Amino acid sequence: QEQLVESGGGVVQPGRSLRLSCAASGFMFHIYGMHWVRQAPGKGLEWVAIIWYDGSNKYYANSVKGRFTISRDNSNSTVYLQMSSLRAEDTALYFCARQRGRSGFDIWGQGTMVTVSS
Amino acid sequence: DIVMTQSPLSLPVTPGEPASISCTSTQSLLHSNGYNYLDWYLQKPGQSPQLLIYLASNRASGVPDRFSGSGSGTNFTLKISRVEAEDVGVYYCMQALQTFFTFGPGTRVDIK
Repeated sequence: QEQLVESGGGVVQPGRSLRLSCAASGFMFHIYGMHWVRQAPGKGLEWVAIIWYDGSNKYYANSVKGRFTISRDNSNSTVYLQMSSLRAEDTALYFCARQRGRSGFDIWGQGTMVTVSS
Repeated sequence: DIVMTQSPLSLPVTPGEPASISCTSTQSLLHSNGYNYLDWYLQKPGQSPQLLIYLASNRASGVPDRFSGSGSGTNFTLKISRVEAEDVGVYYCMQALQTFFTFGPGTRVDIK
């Protein structure tokens, strides 16, 4: 079935880096735009980044611009989020989600937890 | 950035009764193509969000027809015709007009 599985989360010290992965299966990954969305503990959803289906365009939330980089490998059906200069406020459950055109984020992963703490 | 607001933020509901959530944006979400770029999501307890409605009024695949979306420009509504116990959770609207997507604060729906 169509699914997304995130990995790479963990506990990291402030200022350090971490790379998240999101592996897709069961669908044609290369035709979908991919997003990262995060949710701080007990809080709402915050959009983080998008990468177009072919990797040609990338956009970021102001809160992560210059620190996070989204990328994808269509040959391996995986999208990544490289996070650097991490801050306590980056602590959250990070979801990846797919989007075709403007038809909403129709498939979400289960999320991977990132905790930034000394 | 476009700021999204929702009301109410908490909504106790009675099974079998209707329910309604409002969502407002600081800028019009009406695209020149005639579509309103507004989606609705439900996050059930302990689960990932799921898409309910896209482009303001289109039900996503597998979404029961008791859910409906309406509105245009800056004012939108999600309606549940008859609430069921499985509908509890947090409902979010999200604007998809600008590439800097933004979610509303969420409306928590629970059973009275």
